[in-house]
Amino acid sequence: GDSVTQMEGPVTLSEEAFLTINCTYTATGYPSLFWYVQYPGEGLQLLLKATKADDKGSNKGFEATYRKETTSFHLEKGSVQVSDSAVYFCALTDPRTQGGSEKLVFGKGTKLTVNP
Amino acid sequence: DARVTQTPRHKVTEMGQEVTMRCQPILGHNTVFWYRQTMMQGLELLAYFRNRAPLDDSGMPKDRFSAEMPDATLATLKIQPSEPRDSAVYFCASGRGLFSGELFFGEGSRLTVL
Repeated sequence: GDSVTQMEGPVTLSEEAFLTINCTYTATGYPSLFWYVQYPGEGLQLLLKATKADDKGSNKGFEATYRKETTSFHLEKGSVQVSDSAVYFCALTDPRTQGGSEKLVFGKGTKLTVNP
Repeated sequence: DARVTQTPRHKVTEMGQEVTMRCQPILGHNTVFWYRQTMMQGLELLAYFRNRAPLDDSGMPKDRFSAEMPDATLATLKIQPSEPRDSAVYFCASGRGLFSGELFFGEGSRLTVL
């Protein structure tokens, strides 16, 4: 079945450092790809998404490009802030191969800590 | 500000007891999901409803777990009897049913079974 693999954490960076969190996926069809973020004590919230190959999703300074040739969707940010400290989840959905289901398949999450 | 509401936020119970978790999805959303989050397994889908009909509960242990939507404003997840391995954070999420992949999550119910 479809699956998502993302880099193990935790990741610790200093403020203004460059961030990359790797995510690769396995899917039989053409999934849509997502990054969700979970701040401490809260539920997940959508950060960005891309629905087809070569699309770039972006939000709050974060970016990720849907690379079909490498089955990847790496998350990047040029200059992180303390407020970016959270757990980041890569996810996919593909209703066309999931019997019309809209369920999201999540990676295990990567915890990011940004120090001042 | 529309949000998914879950109760209780925290629950500590003893093994063998029944646990019921409740979720109020965002008004107008027609899909509801229950996920379980643990350190070892990450986020696991337990159940999925569209227009209150259960579509996928393959991730749910059927012998002890049950999920229902008595009406459009309430989803429930019940564990009977509970076991220590059920200790986790249970998230409810709702969506517009547009296959957009955008789900709105509640803050979760942290369950501890002693």
